[in-house]
Amino acid sequence: NAGVTQTPKFRVLKTGQSMTLLCAQDMNHEYMYWYRQDPGMGLRLIHYSVGEGTTAKGEVPDGYNVSRLKKQNFLLGLESAAPSQTSVYFCASSSPSLGKAKNIQYFGAGTRLSVL
Amino acid sequence: DQQVKQNSPSLSVQEGRISILNCDYTNSMFDYFLWYKKYPAEGPTFLISISSIKDKNEDGRFTVFLNKSAKHLSLHIVPSQPGDSAVYFCAASGGALAPGQLTFGSGTQLTVLP
Repeated sequence: NAGVTQTPKFRVLKTGQSMTLLCAQDMNHEYMYWYRQDPGMGLRLIHYSVGEGTTAKGEVPDGYNVSRLKKQNFLLGLESAAPSQTSVYFCASSSPSLGKAKNIQYFGAGTRLSVL
Repeated sequence: DQQVKQNSPSLSVQEGRISILNCDYTNSMFDYFLWYKKYPAEGPTFLISISSIKDKNEDGRFTVFLNKSAKHLSLHIVPSQPGDSAVYFCAASGGALAPGQLTFGSGTQLTVLP
């Protein structure tokens, strides 16, 4: 009963380094999302995907790329990390076909990223 | 420009009393509202929701009220328990947002004092 799993849980990068955050869900959800949470800012949407092979930009997409090669996985990439990308990153998934529950997103535990 | 606002960053309540968390929104086309609860080092978890065609939804100790004319919703927790201490996020969907997309408020830290 894993739900949404994010790896890694913590990471420290130096400015300019690259990394990929992995999100995996086992609920067969069509939609997946990447958010960042910063103090006083709530959750801001970076990118999202409404199905395998499709992605779209959210509110704060600059500096990030994503891929959804498999329905259950959603990858978030930082090509050249900057200190402004220090944040907690959350992945979420949802299904449009769940009736009243269709707008409910299920979240992973988060990845805490520090860029020095 | 934030479309969902939680103007109180923090709230402290005595155990057993009522907690009232507030949320305002600007987009009258939002048609579904949700509350999430977040403990430290965990992801947000869904708590309760309400459709724009209703003005109240109740689930145990939690009740959400929606006032569409004021573009305001509130979450009532009665009675409050120390385990309710967490950050609460209000979220909305609909309008010009993509299907399934939510926009979140900045959160309110609730502390329930024993």
